[in-house]
Amino acid sequence: EPEVTQTPSHQVTQMGQEVILRCVPISNHLYFYWYRQILGQKVEFLVSFYNNEISEKSEIFDDQFSVERPDGSNFTLKIRSTKLEDSAMYFCASSEEGWNHYEQYFGPGTRLTVT
Amino acid sequence: KQEVTQIPAALSVPEGENLVLNCSFTDSAIYNLQWFRQDPGKGLTSLLLIQSSQREQTSGRLNASLDKSSGRSTLYIAASQPGDSATYLCAVRQGRYGGATNKLIFGTGTLLAVQP
Repeated sequence: EPEVTQTPSHQVTQMGQEVILRCVPISNHLYFYWYRQILGQKVEFLVSFYNNEISEKSEIFDDQFSVERPDGSNFTLKIRSTKLEDSAMYFCASSEEGWNHYEQYFGPGTRLTVT
Repeated sequence: KQEVTQIPAALSVPEGENLVLNCSFTDSAIYNLQWFRQDPGKGLTSLLLIQSSQREQTSGRLNASLDKSSGRSTLYIAASQPGDSATYLCAVRQGRYGGATNKLIFGTGTLLAVQP
């Protein structure tokens, strides 16, 4: 069964460093998403991406964050200058369509630890 | 602003018992509701998706209901097994004029432990 994959599974970085989290969405899906979950808190939406542009973003997704689809299979989240509060599990998700009934399928997550 | 809550926060049941998990949301203008399972330190596995026009969805031992007007959904698990132990999350996709937003708004989760 097709699935969303994410790399790395765990990333440790120092405050102020740039990190890139990588995702391979399900191949025939058109919408891509990033969510995050700070330990002990709810899963929160960050951004959605369609047709090579951001279709929606939350207030969390400020200028420190960017997303890109560098080729036909990968979808990346970049954090330019990490802060301690960026430590969280980051989930990538994808769906066939953005709104017309389709489920979002999530990857296993990347645990980001900022020290 | 949409708020999604889940009761109870934690539940422990003996194996074989039927159980109900609850999800409530404050704004009934949703497009659909999705139930997920999350194992410790792992990703989210989609269990069921209910459209706003539907009342119920079933998959195996799972049955999810939706009462949009009262802002509630329930997930019924029949004949629970130790392998069902996980955190169960509900998430709503908000409706808006011209179509739904893309984002899912998640609940707080119910941590389920099924004792052998």
